[in-house]
Amino acid sequence: DIVMTQSPDSLAVSLGERATINCKSSQSVLYSSNNKNYLAWYQQKPGQPPKLLIYWASTRESGVPYRFSGSGSGTDFTLTISSLQAEDVAIYYCQQYYFLPLTFGGGTKVEIK
Amino acid sequence: QVQLVQSGAEVKKPGSSVKVSCKTSGDTLRTYTFSWVRQAPGQGLEWMGRINPLLSMTNYTQNFQGRITITADKSTNTVYMELRSLRFDDTAVYYCAREGVWGWAHWGQGTLVTVSS
Repeated sequence: DIVMTQSPDSLAVSLGERATINCKSSQSVLYSSNNKNYLAWYQQKPGQPPKLLIYWASTRESGVPYRFSGSGSGTDFTLTISSLQAEDVAIYYCQQYYFLPLTFGGGTKVEIK
Repeated sequence: QVQLVQSGAEVKKPGSSVKVSCKTSGDTLRTYTFSWVRQAPGQGLEWMGRINPLLSMTNYTQNFQGRITITADKSTNTVYMELRSLRFDDTAVYYCAREGVWGWAHWGQGTLVTVSS
């Protein structure tokens, strides 16, 4: 199974500051045939299902604010919130959706400092 | 607008079974694969398995092999997840999600299953 390891487990960032979340996969999730990384990022708020933010590691889902960006390839990935807003308080998960079993990272809780 | 509407909360006894439904809008069962994910209280997301209704293909994670069955009824656009031999640690919110190569943009609202004696 591909293990997705997120870091940190939690972070507190001041409003307007940058938040950076890392995700490392135990195997590459880059599909060579189309050069796409099958890596997604989700935001989850209490009592809600996860919301897709980023797919293919760096493509922003429609309607997602520009302050959210994804980067990385192969086994190392990053989700960046460029200027944290109050509504961004949530838990963020990475997911590889290439290999079975599909797997999620353990989550990173983002709070306001 | 894509909607996945799940059945309501359940309270079950240990050793029993639960069957959660996920009704989709439109004729999406013929086009998409659907996954089930669960989230224990205060915990992360755990993928359980998936179904491709068009191909009648299922995949399950090893953790649930033998206890889970995912089915689909194309006539009602509904996907089902049955979990048997319930244990206390099966208490969780269960989500269905529509898969896509562009990530999983569509999720059900979640169904809380509580296993209690």
